Amino acid sequence: GESVGLHLPTLSVQEGDNSIINCAYSNSASDYFIWYKQESGKGPQFIIDIRSNMDKRQGQRVTVLLNKTVKHLSLQIAATQPGDSAVYFCAEEVNSGYSTLTFGKGTMLLVSP
Amino acid sequence: GAGVSQSPSNKVTEKGKDVELRCDPISGHTALYWYRQSLGQGLEFLIYFQGNSAPDKSGLPSDRFSAERTGGSVSTLTIQRTQQEDSAVYLCASSLGVVEGEAFFGQGTRLTVV
Repeated sequence: GESVGLHLPTLSVQEGDNSIINCAYSNSASDYFIWYKQESGKGPQFIIDIRSNMDKRQGQRVTVLLNKTVKHLSLQIAATQPGDSAVYFCAEEVNSGYSTLTFGKGTMLLVSP
Repeated sequence: GAGVSQSPSNKVTEKGKDVELRCDPISGHTALYWYRQSLGQGLEFLIYFQGNSAPDKSGLPSDRFSAERTGGSVSTLTIQRTQQEDSAVYLCASSLGVVEGEAFFGQGTRLTVV
């Protein structure tokens, strides 16, 4: 999962396995969350988002789960592929009338063929 | 342009020199973020601009770092008297500035201080 320190935690999986990347967010007032994927040498790209009035949201091969009680967010990737290897960041936002995204430190996912 | 554009893509500079990094956000995006990312590490927040509000500079690591955003559009991050520890990828992101607005990132500027 995400770490307060700058060194990235790493999750290593085999191709075809399901991956779960965790994020502990900090602000109980956050009401919107996004997962980003950053491939080597590129900027982060949007994967999926979820509002705080939802517990689960599914996309193509990805599912985001939100547990507001313990301020925990997870990203599940089904049938992980080598192309999924990247750094994954969660971001949280508080509805303060304008956008104030706060990013977590990231988790590196390594998928072995 | 279609996305967030950053220039230069790579910059090598000598220790002690000043550098300027440029970010062109997506047209119409009122929010703009600068982040720093060292090799193999996470995103380190630097500064945030939102419309005409005073920027949130709480992430700037020292007074050698400054940023401005002219006309609510283009932003420049300036690093004075660069040090080797400033070597990193500097990422810019912009968003519509509304709640639940996705942030779009540029490709980053890789700064190397030698």
